[in-house]
Amino acid sequence: NAGVTQTPKFRVLKTGQSMTLLCAQDMNHEYMYWYRQDPGMGLRLIHYSVGEGTTAKGEVPDGYNVSRLKKQNFLLGLESAAPSQTSVYFCASSYGGAGLTDTQYFGPGTRLTVL
Amino acid sequence: QQQVKQSPQSLIVQKGGISIINCAYENTAFDYFPWYQQFPGKGPALLIAIRPDVSEKKEGRFTISFNKSAKQFSLHIMDSQPGDSATYFCAASIGGQGGKLIFGQGTELSVKP
Repeated sequence: NAGVTQTPKFRVLKTGQSMTLLCAQDMNHEYMYWYRQDPGMGLRLIHYSVGEGTTAKGEVPDGYNVSRLKKQNFLLGLESAAPSQTSVYFCASSYGGAGLTDTQYFGPGTRLTVL
Repeated sequence: QQQVKQSPQSLIVQKGGISIINCAYENTAFDYFPWYQQFPGKGPALLIAIRPDVSEKKEGRFTISFNKSAKQFSLHIMDSQPGDSATYFCAASIGGQGGKLIFGQGTELSVKP
């Protein structure tokens, strides 16, 4: 099993450009998440999904959109990139159970730079 | 609004020593407290987790101590090894809310040989 994979690994954008980050998981997990990681701020939840066709906002959703058309995929879109969106983006998935069974499995990350 | 505060930001420990990382939370509704370990260039991975109905959980050299009244929990790494050098994140979540994790700011641990 590949676990959680993310595409691309690196990307450089100019201000105002758009792009989509793809997350795929092969563990048949119900829940999927997008986080951003910035120095000194830990990981912050952008959007999440508790099942195919559902999405919800996290802590820092502004400037991002998501879609979960298939259970195994979770897409993160930036419609008009800004330098403040320079970050490392992580996707994660979990079975969807409660408490100690709800381990989140993270992908390797996408390093995005917006010039 | 940072609901989980983690300290220290960085930590240097000699091989064989004890590493201690602390976290404090505000929301008493949190009922799941995991610790994640992240190596450079990799995604975080679950290390150990605890629920508030126990005060301590031990897995090998890693122990979580939990103080519900003080709203604090900590990670202890016994006999620290250079291979433990990584960034550690505490987190908290509320059951039934989609498994959303609130992370602390992270602690960069360096274990010197």
